[in-house]
Amino acid sequence: GEDVEQSLFLSVREGDSSVINCTYTDSSSTYLYWYKQEPGAGLQLLTYIFSNMDMKQDQRLTVLLNKKDKHLSLRIADTQTGDSAIYFCAETPYSGAGSYQLTFGKGTKLSVIP
Amino acid sequence: DAGVIQSPRHEVTEMGQEVTLRCKPISGHDYLFWYRQTMMRGLELLIYFNNNVPIDDSGMPEDRFSAKMPNASFSTLKIQPSEPRDSAVYFCASRTTSGGYSYNEQFFGPGTRLTVL
Repeated sequence: GEDVEQSLFLSVREGDSSVINCTYTDSSSTYLYWYKQEPGAGLQLLTYIFSNMDMKQDQRLTVLLNKKDKHLSLRIADTQTGDSAIYFCAETPYSGAGSYQLTFGKGTKLSVIP
Repeated sequence: DAGVIQSPRHEVTEMGQEVTLRCKPISGHDYLFWYRQTMMRGLELLIYFNNNVPIDDSGMPEDRFSAKMPNASFSTLKIQPSEPRDSAVYFCASRTTSGGYSYNEQFFGPGTRLTVL
């Protein structure tokens, strides 16, 4: 079955870059995602990458995908205190009925030190 | 649009009581998902519906859990009887497959924090 692993905690200083890593097991994943959960709120899609891409950049966010190693990373440049949240890696497994499901990692809690 | 609406936001109940969680998806969305979030197990998919029909309930922990979607704008998750190990945050999410989007953006509600004493 599918499995998504990520470290649970990351602490960075304001202004530094944050890198959150994730590994997954399903080689047939079509899309991989980063969702963000702020305190007391639900998850919100932050960015996603299609499996035939190596990199995607969106303002301060850079997503890197290494399909060979099944490794996904999210880099946040110039990290701000407002970036403090839990970041979830997720994948869409490729199977007819399951293609609408998301398999989530346990989330990485990012703490930004002022 | 108000987004996905869940009620109540907090529920405290005693073991053995029936608990009903409610969800209103975003209008026009044809998929609805129920998740449970705990520190130990992270985010687990319990069940999801497509056009009000349950598609996969393999994540429902046991017969004490049941979910319904009587119409496109309302779903319930019921736990009867509740147990302390059911304490968690329960999220509802919805998505649309119209508009040609091939990626899977699910819109989450704020969650219901359930505490079973």
